[in-house]
Amino acid sequence: DAKTTQPTSMDCAEGRAANLPCNHSTISGNEYVYWYRQIHSQGPQYIIHGLKNNETNEMASLIITEDRKSSTLILPHATLRDTAVYYCIVRGHNYGQNFVFGPGTRLSVLP
Amino acid sequence: EAQVTQNPRYLITVTGKKLTVTCSQNMNHEYMSWYRQDPGLGLRQIYYSMNVEVTDKGDVPEGYKVSRKEKRNFPLILESPSPNQTSLYFCASSPTLAGGPGNEQFFGPGTRLTVL
Repeated sequence: DAKTTQPTSMDCAEGRAANLPCNHSTISGNEYVYWYRQIHSQGPQYIIHGLKNNETNEMASLIITEDRKSSTLILPHATLRDTAVYYCIVRGHNYGQNFVFGPGTRLSVLP
Repeated sequence: EAQVTQNPRYLITVTGKKLTVTCSQNMNHEYMSWYRQDPGLGLRQIYYSMNVEVTDKGDVPEGYKVSRKEKRNFPLILESPSPNQTSLYFCASSPTLAGGPGNEQFFGPGTRLTVL
């Protein structure tokens, strides 16, 4: 599985967009980009994933660069409840490849 | 409601006293996994199971056992717990181990274990 790098921490003002970057320069063609978040010490929660195209769901948008070496998770209108650790994971679709969680980005949404 | 449940949520025990943390999912998922989370070390996989009677070691299996006799249950067993197994434990499940759409992992609420 490709390795990812994320900033250790970020702040965002409540109501503004939170843009969380992730570098995955060694990603291979069959690997998806997944985002999870963990609020305090709860179980990680799935947010979104993508392969090549930008994706949007009710929680967030995922922008993947054309060369697929980096991506950005966008929370369009951050709330205090979005304060969490956000994990970017790349994982292939081949059977047998596990999720590998790095340290993630600690996002603090400030009032 | 689709969910992964773990019990107990909190446990304080003493060195050497065997314990089991249960994990159950109601989504008919094939794949289940156990992680531990420690400050500064993130989530590390202990064991995983791709289906009934099929289990394999993750990154940190020492001191742990698992079994998968039924599809819905994946208990984590500590035969002789030690203080270095004090941690926050998460169980997770997904339809299969393959990546791609529809195969995101669902996590349980966590079990905080303290071994004295």
